[in-house]
Amino acid sequence: DTAVSQTPKYLVTQMGNDKSIKCEQNLGHDTMYWYKQDSKKFLKIMFSYNNKELIINETVPNRFSPKSPDKAHLNLHINSLELGDSAVYFCASSQRKSNEKLFFGSGTQLSVL
Amino acid sequence: DQQVKQNSPSLSVQEGRISILNCDYTNSMFDYFLWYKKYPAEGPTFLISISSIKDKNEDGRFTVFLNKSAKHLSLHIVPSQPGDSAVYFCAASREGAQKLVFGQGTRLTINP
Repeated sequence: DTAVSQTPKYLVTQMGNDKSIKCEQNLGHDTMYWYKQDSKKFLKIMFSYNNKELIINETVPNRFSPKSPDKAHLNLHINSLELGDSAVYFCASSQRKSNEKLFFGSGTQLSVL
Repeated sequence: DQQVKQNSPSLSVQEGRISILNCDYTNSMFDYFLWYKKYPAEGPTFLISISSIKDKNEDGRFTVFLNKSAKHLSLHIVPSQPGDSAVYFCAASREGAQKLVFGQGTRLTINP
């Protein structure tokens, strides 16, 4: 059983489209995250949710909207995709009080053409 | 403004030798540091961590050293094995921040 699973693994789409990436964790963790790995390979936090509540929103364009229907799921919806959105997006989760140790999904490679 | 930097994009080491991966940080408020390992097409996985109250933490073949005055940490792997070939990310956090700040990774290749 995969602890943190995200789908799809690859996403190729045209500029201007709207797309979603789904994430689910079966670890019973309270906190979930979205990280973006940009072209320079840095992993940067985008959002953090704790028990469905938004904790961190790290100056991400409002075209990106996370949705957490329950604490085991954190989906990422992106409107009006731009070329610069091309990156690898990682979902992660952690226990509330040991948030330093993250468990990551395998990533979604988004290519905007 | 990258607060955590790994200045070596790649490192090649012979099997059985020591691998040393380096990481520098700029924010003196960071008090917890971690190393993650990433294989292709997988997410990063936690490897080892160290609190700022320590200067060394060891776990089997992996040892992390922290030099707070230099704002520098390193990961030592000895002996290096082919399965250690991966990208290694350094990360840092501070109390209450609820997020990790990552470096850009170092690709380690262990040659037989």
